[in-house]
Formats: sequence, C-alpha cells, structure tokens
Amino acid sequence: QVQLVESGGGLVKPGGSLRLSCAASGFTFSDYYMSWIRQAPGKGLEWVSYISSSGSTIYYADSVKGRFTISRDNAKNSLYLQMNSLRAEDTAVYYCATCGGDCYFFVYWGQGTLVTVSS
Amino acid sequence: EIVLTQSPATLSLSPGERATLSCRASQSVSSYLAWYQQKPGQAPRLLIYDASNRATGIPARFSGSGSGTDFTLTISSLEPEDFAVYYCQQRSNWWGFTFGPGTKVDIK
Repeated sequence: QVQLVESGGGLVKPGGSLRLSCAASGFTFSDYYMSWIRQAPGKGLEWVSYISSSGSTIYYADSVKGRFTISRDNAKNSLYLQMNSLRAEDTAVYYCATCGGDCYFFVYWGQGTLVTVSS
Repeated sequence: EIVLTQSPATLSLSPGERATLSCRASQSVSSYLAWYQQKPGQAPRLLIYDASNRATGIPARFSGSGSGTDFTLTISSLEPEDFAVYYCQQRSNWWGFTFGPGTKVDIK
C-alpha cells in the first residue's frame, strides 16, 4: 500500500535551516507529481510547494519563495524540502502528498513532521 | 489569488442527521475542487475530487456537487466517525493551490 513517511523536523532558531525528507513506497514514485503542504498548530492547511514527476517543473507559495527549495530523487523514491531563513511563522506540521490527476488535488498524505522555529 | 470561503464554521449535528457543508470561491474554479476530512492528530484524507467524484474507498454517504464558484459536500447520514474538520481546496491556475478555512462537524 502507499506509504509516505516524513522526517527531519525539529526545533530550529529563527534564521536557521532544516531539510525535510519524505520516503515513498508502495507506488511508482517517479510517475507522480508531489507536494509539500503545512499546517500551523491549530490552524488550517497551506500549500507550500509542488514538483513535477521529472523535477523539471516547480512552484512555490509566495510565503516561502526564495527561502525553500523542493527537490526529489526518483532513484531513492524520496522527496525533499530544504528550508532556509526560517521564521516563527514557518512553525507547522509539514506533510508530503502525492498529486492526483494533473495535480489538481492531493491523494495520499504522510503523517507529517513538526517544524518549530523558536529562539 | 482565489480565496475559498467555507460555511458554516461549525456544524453541530447528531449521528444519523444529514450534513450540508458549503464552499464558495472568489472566482470560478470550474470543477477543480476537492474536499478533505481531517481528524485530530491525523493527516487529511481525500474525500471528493473534481467537485463530485468520490475518492477510492470513500463511503457513498459522502457526495459532492457544484461548479464555478459554489460547491457543496453532503454527508447523507452522519456516522460517529464522520465528526471531524472538512476542508475544500482548489487549483485552477498556476497561482497555486488554496484551501478553505474548514468546517468543523461536531456532535450535538
């Protein structure tokens, strides 16, 4: 069955960096567009970034553009999110998710990894 | 940016009752609207995509309708496991994806 397992979250100081990973299994990872979506504590969902199956097309939310970098390694069935210049408002649970169709919606989600930005 | 508005913010109902949740877009999203269910401490789960298509494994009591700017998620008869927060989501262009603020369905 499809499994997405995020890792790499933790406590980081403002201005610091963190790299999240998402290990995929149970499906042909290289066939699917992937996204990162986050949820601040007690808040709603916010899309962060999207990457095409080959990695050639990438989009970011304005709130993270220039600070976050999404990438993937299809040989390792893994998705990544490099987060630099972190701010308190980046504190959230970060989910990786598979896209459905031409990436109009999100089909499978991981359980998430918590990123806390605090001094 | 397309803004999604969900109403009501909270819906208090009893098991067996019908739930009707609304999602309105600030401009047309055609039929590119999805619905998700989220329970405390869990990841969201896809319920409906393309406004009216049930995702794999979703019970028939969940149905979606609408197009353009007005959409509805209906739960025909609430089961105890349906009490949760529901989000709508759209992607109609490359400005990105947006989610609504959510509707909490709680037990009356």
